Amino acid sequence: QVTLRESGPALVKPTQTLTLTCTFSGFSLSTSGMCVSWIRQPPGKALEWLALIDSADDKYYLPSLKTRLTISRDTSKNQVVLRMTNVDPVDTATYYCVRTYWNTHQEFDFWGQGSLVTISS
Amino acid sequence: QSALTQPASVSGSPGQSITVSCTGTSSDVGGYNLVSWYQQHPGKAPKFIIYEVSKRPSGVSNRFSGSKSGNTASLTISGLQAEDEADYYCCSYAGNSIRVFGGGTKVTVL
Repeated sequence: QVTLRESGPALVKPTQTLTLTCTFSGFSLSTSGMCVSWIRQPPGKALEWLALIDSADDKYYLPSLKTRLTISRDTSKNQVVLRMTNVDPVDTATYYCVRTYWNTHQEFDFWGQGSLVTISS
Repeated sequence: QSALTQPASVSGSPGQSITVSCTGTSSDVGGYNLVSWYQQHPGKAPKFIIYEVSKRPSGVSNRFSGSKSGNTASLTISGLQAEDEADYYCCSYAGNSIRVFGGGTKVTVL
């Protein structure tokens, strides 16, 4: 059974760095074709893909946020971490950790429950 | 990459069929057969319902179907039911491992 769970702070001050952790089970990020992405959704707004890390440890970012994002993994702990620097109130959103199995193009087939992060002083 | 274009809302009566469109460009929707769709009920995480334009994951009702023509993908819900009332999002691969979502469509069952 595949599960993903996001964890991190609920409140972050502007200009600080946000660090979110995704802990997953039921699959291995070392398996060829496995990927984990971070996707966010501001309140009442649309989904936005942010970053992806794959089984080869290659990393990809939304171009408009690339300078502020870092995605990394710890395969021994089954965790993926997203860091976002210099946060702003517009970064207030629910952040989701999501799996893709690229070998069968099953894009975002399993989602975490989401972690609501508010950026405010 | 700009967001894919979806209608803000679509509505239909129970039993009817409705179609949600998702328009992109030749760099995303038109360039790859890698469009997926997600259903999101209020306060819940999205649910994966279509991938590779028209494939249904195991367990997803066959009332959901997908298609594509040129730069526009479509999700059709047939035999509309009250439980289908939700927000629907399309997503496309856009090359270089980039993904782009649509703005979302609110489906209302009258």
